[in-house]
Amino acid sequence: KAGVTQTPRYLIKTRGQQVTLSCSPISGHRSVSWYQQTPGQGLQFLFEYFSETQRNKGNFPGRFSGRQFSNSRSEMNVSTLELGDSALYLCASSLGSQGRGDTQYFGPGTRLTVL
Amino acid sequence: QKEVEQNSGPLSVPEGAIASLNCTYSDRVSQSFFWYRQYSGKSPELIMSIYSNGDKEDGRFTAQLNKASQYVSLLIRDSQPSDSATYLCAVNPSSGYALNFGKGTSLLVTP
Repeated sequence: KAGVTQTPRYLIKTRGQQVTLSCSPISGHRSVSWYQQTPGQGLQFLFEYFSETQRNKGNFPGRFSGRQFSNSRSEMNVSTLELGDSALYLCASSLGSQGRGDTQYFGPGTRLTVL
Repeated sequence: QKEVEQNSGPLSVPEGAIASLNCTYSDRVSQSFFWYRQYSGKSPELIMSIYSNGDKEDGRFTAQLNKASQYVSLLIRDSQPSDSATYLCAVNPSSGYALNFGKGTSLLVTP
């Protein structure tokens, strides 16, 4: 089975621009979660989508948004980029079942650099 | 804010020794616990999951869970230089579907 894929792998943007990142989950997985990883803050949860609905959201400003399509692929968008948005953005997919046993598998990540 | 705490390290062990990585969590009703390994510049990869008190073994890896003490650990037996990485503890909290991650422990296995 193919793993989680993310595109693009690397991005360089300037302050004020916007960016869209894409994630394709493992076949059969209906949940997609997005995380931001920085050296200082570690892995921080952005949001989670299941069957095209956002089920959970982390503590990030409204500049960070996402969506999920009917084929479970997901995109996240960051508008009005700031220098502090430079990070590794990770997508993780899972079956999305409630309770114990729902394991998340990570994609390779998108490295975003904001200049 | 539900916390997951790990010693940042680096933890240095000689090749062939046992590496012991520890994690504490604050949400008493957490159900699921995971250990991920992350090599520099790569994404996290799942090593083990554990849901019940006690030990769970998989090859050279043993996860230990003590819900009363809110403590989960990972033992790596016969450590190899290729085990040198950052180990992330993740906890599925009682509410919602997001994993809470610790900031990771850096492990260095020296030949």
